[in-house]
Amino acid sequence: EVQLVQSGAEVKKPGESLKISCQGSGYSFTKYWIAWVRQMSGKGLEWMGIVFPGDSDARYSPSFQGQVAISVDKSINTAHLQWSSLKASDSAMYYCARGGASVDNFDYWGQGTLVTVSS
Amino acid sequence: QSALTQPASVSGSPGQSITISCTATSSAEGYYNLVSWYQQRPGRVPKLIIYEGTKRPSGVSDRFSGSKSGDTASLTISGLQVEDEADYYCCSYTGTWVFGGGTKLTVL
Repeated sequence: EVQLVQSGAEVKKPGESLKISCQGSGYSFTKYWIAWVRQMSGKGLEWMGIVFPGDSDARYSPSFQGQVAISVDKSINTAHLQWSSLKASDSAMYYCARGGASVDNFDYWGQGTLVTVSS
Repeated sequence: QSALTQPASVSGSPGQSITISCTATSSAEGYYNLVSWYQQRPGRVPKLIIYEGTKRPSGVSDRFSGSKSGDTASLTISGLQVEDEADYYCCSYTGTWVFGGGTKLTVL
């Protein structure tokens, strides 16, 4: 069974750094892209970026380029989303999702990681 | 990067059919086929229901169907059920991915 399990909720202060994770299991982790999607409270889905675990090739939405970093540790089947200096506006639910066999879709999703940034 | 426009809300009664549109603000070669749709019930994780514009993943009800015409992709839900009440998002791939703003479906 394909599963993406994300790290737990985080509460941080503005200016702090954060790295959240997404561990895949039940499939060949290095063969499928992993995307990160933001959902602010009461708002829609926003595609942030994507990484191919096989070679760590990462691509970003223009809206998030330079704001976050996406990485992968294929030795533990885990993708990461990282901030160096959080802002209150980074408060949101963050989902990881597996890129499907067809390039256009995301077929399995993690349960989400809620990030709250508040002073 | 193309943006995708969806209606903010649609509604229907049980048993009826509804259609949600998804219009690209700028045409991109190959857009027409590379559209997926997601259902997100309240408090739940998004679920893939249509990919490549018209295909359903295994296990998704055949009451959900996708189509395309020009710069507009559409999701049709037939035989509406109360459980279909959710937010629906389109997503297109044209080198990068972008989601539409989402449509709230209310089943009256």
